[in-house]
Amino acid sequence: SQQGEEDPQALSIQEGENATMNCSYKTSINNLQWYRQNSGRGLVHLILIRSNEREKHSGRLRVTLDTSKKSSSLLITASRAADTASYFCATWEYGNKLVFGAGTILRVKS
Amino acid sequence: DVKVTQSSRYLVKRTGEKVFLECVQDMDHENMFWYRQDPGLGLRLIYFSYDVKMKEKGDIPEGYSVSREKKERFSLILESASTNQTSMYLCASDGRNEAFFGQGTRLTVV
Repeated sequence: SQQGEEDPQALSIQEGENATMNCSYKTSINNLQWYRQNSGRGLVHLILIRSNEREKHSGRLRVTLDTSKKSSSLLITASRAADTASYFCATWEYGNKLVFGAGTILRVKS
Repeated sequence: DVKVTQSSRYLVKRTGEKVFLECVQDMDHENMFWYRQDPGLGLRLIYFSYDVKMKEKGDIPEGYSVSREKKERFSLILESASTNQTSMYLCASDGRNEAFFGQGTRLTVV
């Protein structure tokens, strides 16, 4: 089962624009994480938001969490061509099981 | 610098062969994971381990087994490789707030 489901599946924007990606999940969580994957590589951790937080910032990243809707969003402001990558949300299921969604492919055109 | 190392970046095997994918982490993490990644399907969890000699099935364990004899090493075994196991395989080690990934092994079964 896919705990996290990202939306949209693909996003294409111009450099300088903002990119928003959404994630929905099914079960109760302690935290939700976002990861980035450059083409054909392993994933890199971007940011973690805890269940008692509603918003978190890190540089050009802004993450929100709505536990009542079981959803999270990742906003990348002032996007750059180097932000082109796939983005995944991840949550813990049944304690030790870390599950990822299908991801959003972001393309930033220069 | 934390490190998760997968034994091969690219691998080509024949149908019916027994295949071993090795993953080593140097962070003394208890949790380790094996995922496969296919286009449009995101990361799907094959197996995970929360301690030495402990293993749990993920969402798609059929056709795979794992071994964790030492804390730092988590091996994925394809008992009899089939063409539908052609995929990118990703190993991860988890520090509870952040998972660290290897560079991935692109396996082709011919």
